[in-house]
Amino acid sequence: KNQVEQSPQSLIILEGKNCTLQCNYTVSPFSNLRWYKQDTGRGPVSLTIMTFSENTKSNGRYTATLDADTKQSSLHITASQLSDSASYICVVSAPDSGGSNYKLTFGKGTLLTVNP
Amino acid sequence: EAGVAQSPRYKIIEKRQSVAFWCNPISGHATLYWYQQILGQGPKLLIQFQNNGVVDDSQLPKDRFSAERLKGVDSTLKIQPAKLEDSAVYLCASSPGLAGATYEQYFGPGTRLTVT
Repeated sequence: KNQVEQSPQSLIILEGKNCTLQCNYTVSPFSNLRWYKQDTGRGPVSLTIMTFSENTKSNGRYTATLDADTKQSSLHITASQLSDSASYICVVSAPDSGGSNYKLTFGKGTLLTVNP
Repeated sequence: EAGVAQSPRYKIIEKRQSVAFWCNPISGHATLYWYQQILGQGPKLLIQFQNNGVVDDSQLPKDRFSAERLKGVDSTLKIQPAKLEDSAVYLCASSPGLAGATYEQYFGPGTRLTVT
């Protein structure tokens, strides 16, 4: 069964500090991996999309890494800001058995709180 | 460009009543998704449309949930009759093509449903 596991479940850090969120997946075959940011009461917003051949991708203060061999990804947030307080969701895409569509498997997310 | 629009934003109903949600995707986006997100969980796909055809509805509880996408644009999701466990946020998302194939997926703000 395809699964995406995220850790930690929640994290509290002080403003200005860095943090790293983890994502382990068992999805196979693999098409791409995404990180989304979901603010409270809002829909998820895409941060990065990485394919099998990419092992790092940045979007401002967000840097995602991917190790397709160990099926692990991380999201590193640098110099955190209060606005970074949100849930961060890891999503893995895989082609379906028919090859005509893709299945997106969502993790449960890591709830990040940035305190002043 | 305008984002994905959803209405209503909030809805409170009693169990066994019916409810409908509306979604207007980003103009020109061929693929439309409805997700159910229970508090503390990642989104769960209910149904995926490609233009006005259903691509995946394998997790849609068809005895009570129905969805349609008229003319390949707007979509409605209906629950009849509602159960307590249907309390969740219902997210609509759209994508220019199949989101799993590295297309960006854009989410609406969601409709928070409370069933009492």
